[in-house]
Amino acid sequence: DSGVTQTPKHLITATGQRVTLRCSPRSGDLSVYWYQQSLDQGLQFLIQYYNGEERAKGNILERFSAQQFPDLHSELNLSSLELGDSALYFCASSGGDRELFFGEGSRLTVL
Amino acid sequence: GEDVEQSLFLSVREGDSSVINCTYTDSSSTYLYWYKQEPGAGLQLLTYIFSNMDMKQDQRLTVLLNKKDKHLSLRIADTQTGDSAIYFCAETPPGGSYIPTFGRGTSLIVHP
Repeated sequence: DSGVTQTPKHLITATGQRVTLRCSPRSGDLSVYWYQQSLDQGLQFLIQYYNGEERAKGNILERFSAQQFPDLHSELNLSSLELGDSALYFCASSGGDRELFFGEGSRLTVL
Repeated sequence: GEDVEQSLFLSVREGDSSVINCTYTDSSSTYLYWYKQEPGAGLQLLTYIFSNMDMKQDQRLTVLLNKKDKHLSLRIADTQTGDSAIYFCAETPPGGSYIPTFGRGTSLIVHP
């Protein structure tokens, strides 16, 4: 158990819809990272938050957004969903010592 | 730009050694990592090596770094069926960014 909790584990929705994925980091970790894992793209970095502030942006689409709340949990919002957004979305947290702790992921299926 | 490449599959017999290879392009990488992903789980850090090291050993795991060729390898001695998983190579750039760039992962299949 990494200490990182992601919900929901599985989500099935239709094209055009909007979903929210939730992540609770390990206790005390200030940094949260979001990654997208798909068969064709591998593991792609989306965005990082540190103590509530956006720290770095990767290959995140404009239809996607994220935030980190005062209690340090984070949400990834995916809107106007397309078939190609179907993937496993991972949240990871770190305490600043270069090791990332990953959650079990949220599997999104867009039909 | 940053790019990390790995072969996609490796099949070995139980008890043999496994060697998973990785190449990276960013010569300024400071830390290189191996993460393991078991079925239905997130990635878990196995080991890492700092760029000024050539080798690191940790029980059954040996990491070799050839900085000149930008080549990283992970050797698993006495491979067991429980080692079957996807292994990801990753690198981080110098400076304060701890954001690793991952390879696509190598699926290790261990058969009896």
